[in-house]
Amino acid sequence: EVHLVESGGGLVQPGGSLRLSCAASGFIFSDHYMDWVRQAPGKGLEWVGRSKNKADSYTTEYAASVKGRFTISRDDSKKSVYLQMNSLKTEDTAVYYCTRAISETTRAMGYWGQGTLVTVSS
Amino acid sequence: QSVLTQPPSTSGTPGQRVTISCSGSSSNIGNNYVYWYQQFPGTAPKLLIYRNNQRPSGVPDRFSGSKSGTSASLAISGLRSEDEADYYCAAWDDSLSGRVFGGGTKLTVL
Repeated sequence: EVHLVESGGGLVQPGGSLRLSCAASGFIFSDHYMDWVRQAPGKGLEWVGRSKNKADSYTTEYAASVKGRFTISRDDSKKSVYLQMNSLKTEDTAVYYCTRAISETTRAMGYWGQGTLVTVSS
Repeated sequence: QSVLTQPPSTSGTPGQRVTISCSGSSSNIGNNYVYWYQQFPGTAPKLLIYRNNQRPSGVPDRFSGSKSGTSASLAISGLRSEDEADYYCAAWDDSLSGRVFGGGTKLTVL
């Protein structure tokens, strides 16, 4: 069974940094793209970015709102994907979800973690 | 301001059929698949529809998706009280090189 568990959220001051982790289990991690999606309190969903799989050279892609500030990395040996967030802004306050597609042919984000809350505030 | 446009809210009575629209452009819906998600308060979104009109296993056939040009729709037939939730459409955007979502539609079952 696919299982995704995010961790690392918390309170951070504007301009600060935070690293989120997503531990995966139940599948061959290196075969899959891993996406991060966030949701600000009371707001809609926003795609943050993704790490492609081993076959696609682990290429990363980002939303314009976080490009240059956030970095996605992964460690296949630990079956984990990470979101390094630097130069945080108050508008980055959100629940951050790690997701995986139901299959690599569909790219449909069908597996989601429970989310971890990041609060950027002074 | 979301790239994909959805009505903020809609409502229906039990047993009724409701539709939720999602409007985009040629760089997203017009040239890529559409996905639909259901979200209850305090929980992670759930995939309802992928590739415009495909249902993952376990999703009732009361939920259906369609796409025409640069717009898409989610239809829910035989509305039930447990369908009361937020619904989001999504697609890949070629111009932005990223996934984009609609702003979400809150469905109320009266």
